[in-house]
Amino acid sequence: DIQLTQSPSFLSASVGDRVTITCRASQGIGSYLAWYQQKPGKAPNLLIYAVSTLQSGVPSRFSGSGSGTEFTLTISSLQPEDFGSYYCQQLNSYPLTFGGGTKVEIK
Amino acid sequence: EVQLADSGGGLVQPGGSLRLSCAASGFTFSDYYMDWVRQAPGKGLEWVGRISNKANSYTTEYAASVKGRFTISRDDSENSLFLQMNSLKTEDTAVYYCASRGVGHGYLDVWGRGTTVTVSS
Repeated sequence: DIQLTQSPSFLSASVGDRVTITCRASQGIGSYLAWYQQKPGKAPNLLIYAVSTLQSGVPSRFSGSGSGTEFTLTISSLQPEDFGSYYCQQLNSYPLTFGGGTKVEIK
Repeated sequence: EVQLADSGGGLVQPGGSLRLSCAASGFTFSDYYMDWVRQAPGKGLEWVGRISNKANSYTTEYAASVKGRFTISRDDSENSLFLQMNSLKTEDTAVYYCASRGVGHGYLDVWGRGTTVTVSS
């Protein structure tokens, strides 16, 4: 199975900060990586797929990059509504797997 | 509006069974691959399994943790997805989400609100 390791597991940042979350895969996954945002008590929401394609309706301050085994999600200017947990997911091979999550807190 | 409404959760004893349902509306359900994802209390997301569409013979894939105990099925005539859960264990306690994959990109772009399954004696 492909393991996805996210870092950090928790971050606290101020409004306007640039925030980066990393997702490392235990083996190459090509471009089959997505990022989701989840707010407490709610279902996850697709932000980015295929490493860097922004899902419709997602603000442009979110971006994704990477290749092979290392990927990043960047929020260029953190906004109050960006609190919550973020998860990466690989769709390269079964079983599909998620990273452990990164909880983002607004200072 | 594209919507998924998952239901059927509840309290069940270890070793028991439960069937979850997911009703789809607002899109051509039969075209879409569908997945189940769960989240244990205070934990991260765990992929449970998926079923393909008719064009791909309704094939299924499962996580190792549920293989042989859980079965995913669908009824395209009723726009419904199901998760039959047998031999339930306490570690199956979680919120269960159904999700659909975008036809164009194959990622989980529409999610249900989740239904809670509690396995406890």
